[in-house]
Amino acid sequence: EPEVTQTPSHQVTQMGQEVILRCVPISNHLYFYWYRQILGQKVEFLVSFYNNEISEKSEIFDDQFSVERPDGSNFTLKIRSTKLEDSAMYFCAGTPGHDYGYTFGSGTRLTVV
Amino acid sequence: AQSVTQLGSHVSVSEGALVLLRCNYSSSVPPYLFWYVQYPNQGLQLLLKYTSAATLVKGINGFEAEFKKSETSFHLTKPSAHMSDAAEYFCAVKPTGTASKLTFGTGTRLQVTL
Repeated sequence: EPEVTQTPSHQVTQMGQEVILRCVPISNHLYFYWYRQILGQKVEFLVSFYNNEISEKSEIFDDQFSVERPDGSNFTLKIRSTKLEDSAMYFCAGTPGHDYGYTFGSGTRLTVV
Repeated sequence: AQSVTQLGSHVSVSEGALVLLRCNYSSSVPPYLFWYVQYPNQGLQLLLKYTSAATLVKGINGFEAEFKKSETSFHLTKPSAHMSDAAEYFCAVKPTGTASKLTFGTGTRLQVTL
């Protein structure tokens, strides 16, 4: 069965550093999302992406965050200057369309020290 | 805005007993509803979804859920719990007919005991 692939599985970074989280969506998916889950808490929406532009973003997704799909395959989330509170599991997800379920990747655990 | 409420952050059942995880939604129109399972240190796996077809939805691993508009509920059930069902379960909602974001509940941790 097709999978959403996320790399790296775990990243440790110094506060203030930039990080890029990578996702390879399933080939027939058209809509893409980033979510995060702080340890022990609920899954929170960050941003949705369709037709090479952001379609919706949450209050969490401030100017420190950006997304892009530069080559039509990889879908990336960049955090420009990480803070301690950015430590979380970040999930990429995708769907072919509105009547389908959303397929999630296995996540990237980001630890900011 | 749409939301879901999951009653009970922790549920414990004996192996072989009925599993019932509760989810109530808030929406001005019937939404699409989903149940996801998360095993420790893993991602979110879709168990089942309601997308305006049959109100009783069957999913993977023997789980099913029934959409009840009158009760604004979408409870997840399984007739007989197995040790391997121990995990975190999330209910989620999104507007009908869109590819808008999923909004998740706070999750219910299911413990299965011998």
